[in-house]
Formats: sequence, C-alpha cells, structure tokens
Amino acid sequence: GAGVSQTPSNKVTEKGKYVELRCDPISGHTALYWYRQSLGQGPEFLIYFQGTGAADDSGLPNDRFFAVRPEGSVSTLKIQRTERGDSAVYLCASSGTSGGGGEQFFGPGTRLTVL
Amino acid sequence: LAKTTQPISMDSYEGQEVNITCSHNNIATNDYITWYQQFPSQGPRFIIQGYKTKVTNEVASLFIPADRKSSTLSLPRVSLSDTAVYYCLVGGNTGGFKTIFGAGTRLFVKA
Repeated sequence: GAGVSQTPSNKVTEKGKYVELRCDPISGHTALYWYRQSLGQGPEFLIYFQGTGAADDSGLPNDRFFAVRPEGSVSTLKIQRTERGDSAVYLCASSGTSGGGGEQFFGPGTRLTVL
Repeated sequence: LAKTTQPISMDSYEGQEVNITCSHNNIATNDYITWYQQFPSQGPRFIIQGYKTKVTNEVASLFIPADRKSSTLSLPRVSLSDTAVYYCLVGGNTGGFKTIFGAGTRLFVKA
C-alpha cells in the first residue's frame, strides 16, 4: 500500500518568504508527527497530531511555525518569514497507534533551503 | 523523557554480527525501547521495539536486561546495505507524545 508522502521533495525560497509543506499520511493513521532534521543530527520533534488536534506542539521553535490537520488526514506545516536557519529536511511520520510508543512510518522528507 | 546515549559510530565487516548498545538510565516504568534505521536522503525506518528481555524479528534482535537501563540492538551477519544511522528511542504509550531522537550511531560496514 501507499506509504507516507510529502510534497514538495525540495523547496528553495528566499529569506522572509512564506512556505507550506504538505504531508499525506498512511490512510487510517490517526497519529501524525512533524520533525526537522539538520545535517548530521537526528530528527527533532516539532509537533504531534492525534486526529485533527495538535496534542503536543512543544517542539515548534517559535511562532513563525504552525501546522494544521483540518480533516484528520493531510497535514500542512507552515513557516512564515523564513530564515536561513530554517534550512533543513522536514520529515513527517504517521502511526496507527496513538501516544508516543507506536511504530512511526516516515515519509521521504522535504528539503527546505532558505537563501 | 528518558535520555539515551549511544556510540557515535561503529565499523564492521560484511558477515559479522554487530551489537549497538544504548544507555537509558532514567527509563520510566511505562517506556518502551524502539530502534530506527535511517539511510541517507530517507526518513527513519522502524526496526524493532521491546519492553523487556528479548525480542527478535526477521532483521534484528533486541536484548533488554532486567533493570532496563540499557538495551542492545543485534544485527546478525551485516551486509554493505546495513550501513546507516541507527537510533535508540525511549518512550511510552501514556502521557507524553514527544519522540526524542538522539544523534544516533553511524554504522559503517566494510567489504
């Protein structure tokens, strides 16, 4: 079956611009996670959705970052006024298990480059 | 959330067994131990999860001592394609949802 997909695969933008990154989870998965990964580092937790609601957004670095999941499936990560430090690979994962212990299925990521 | 400590890197040769140990001294009663594998330009992939003693699947074994303060991922007879970063995570199914990845262990398998 289809796995987690993320679009675009690559995004180049200029400092100060607004970007949206999309995640299509595995059908039926109620749990959805966003992570950010810099070169040579492990994925850094950003936000967790259970259904439509953000159950834990404590990893969002500041108020320029926002994520939504209006219908409990597709999620969009939104970054306002991008900065060069936002350059990273943004990973999305979904899980059929709620809570923090279930197997997560990751997408291929979106590589964001802020010039 | 329990912090984990793993070796930064390991080298091995094809056909050898590789054991990667992770320390998690502050593991909580409800925490599970999960290992992920990540290849370059891909998202992490689940390998194995356990709570105590030993768990084995088609790709790896996970050994957890009685005190659960550490765990060892065992990869039998590695091949070049096992060269990747391996992450040890500790977390539970109750309470917090945040998933913490450390820096992982970079395994290099040589011919």
